[in-house]
Amino acid sequence: QLQLQESGPGLVKPSETLSLTCTVSGGSISSTNYYWGWIRQPPGKGLEWIGSMFYTGNTYYNPSLKSRITISIATSKNQFSLELTSVTAADTAVYYCARHRRLGGMDVWGKGTTVTVSS
Amino acid sequence: QSALTQPASVSGSPGQSITISCTGTSGDVGGYDYVSWYQQHPGKAPKLIISDVINRPSGVSNRFSGSKSGNTASLTISGLQPEDEADYYCSSYTSGSSLEIFGGGTKLTVL
Repeated sequence: QLQLQESGPGLVKPSETLSLTCTVSGGSISSTNYYWGWIRQPPGKGLEWIGSMFYTGNTYYNPSLKSRITISIATSKNQFSLELTSVTAADTAVYYCARHRRLGGMDVWGKGTTVTVSS
Repeated sequence: QSALTQPASVSGSPGQSITISCTGTSGDVGGYDYVSWYQQHPGKAPKLIISDVINRPSGVSNRFSGSKSGNTASLTISGLQPEDEADYYCSSYTSGSSLEIFGGGTKLTVL
């Protein structure tokens, strides 16, 4: 059974870079049918798609975050990662990684990790 | 790119049916049959309950059904049960450089 697990610091200082990794187990990240994506949810608010990546390296980013995000993939480790630069308090959220179907929709989610931006 | 539009809240009594709408544009909901719905209980990750407008993943109750007309997709929950009380989100494949756009979410209260 496919499982995803987010990992990374729970506290990041303003203006610094948020870095998270998602480890995929129970299946290969090198699938032609799926992207691998990041979604976030600020406290008390809705879901926001951050971006997704195909195992070949093709990336797709939310236009509102595009200038600050990088998603990368390490197929040998079955992991993919998110970097978000110049963070502010507005980036405080639960960050989820998910398997993103090529024709839309996220069908397998990690449990989420809370990231707080504060000095 | 604005989020898809959902009602902030809906409510119903056990046994009743409710419908949640999700309105977008011809560039997302109206242009593709790739609308998904998720159920999220407090403190939990979202769970996919409908994909491709109408398809239920294995294990999802047949009390959940999806449909679409024009730029608006809908999720219907029949025979409401207390455990259906949760937040519900829609998402859609979208054209352009983005891939996916979410709705703002709807809180379902089972009275």
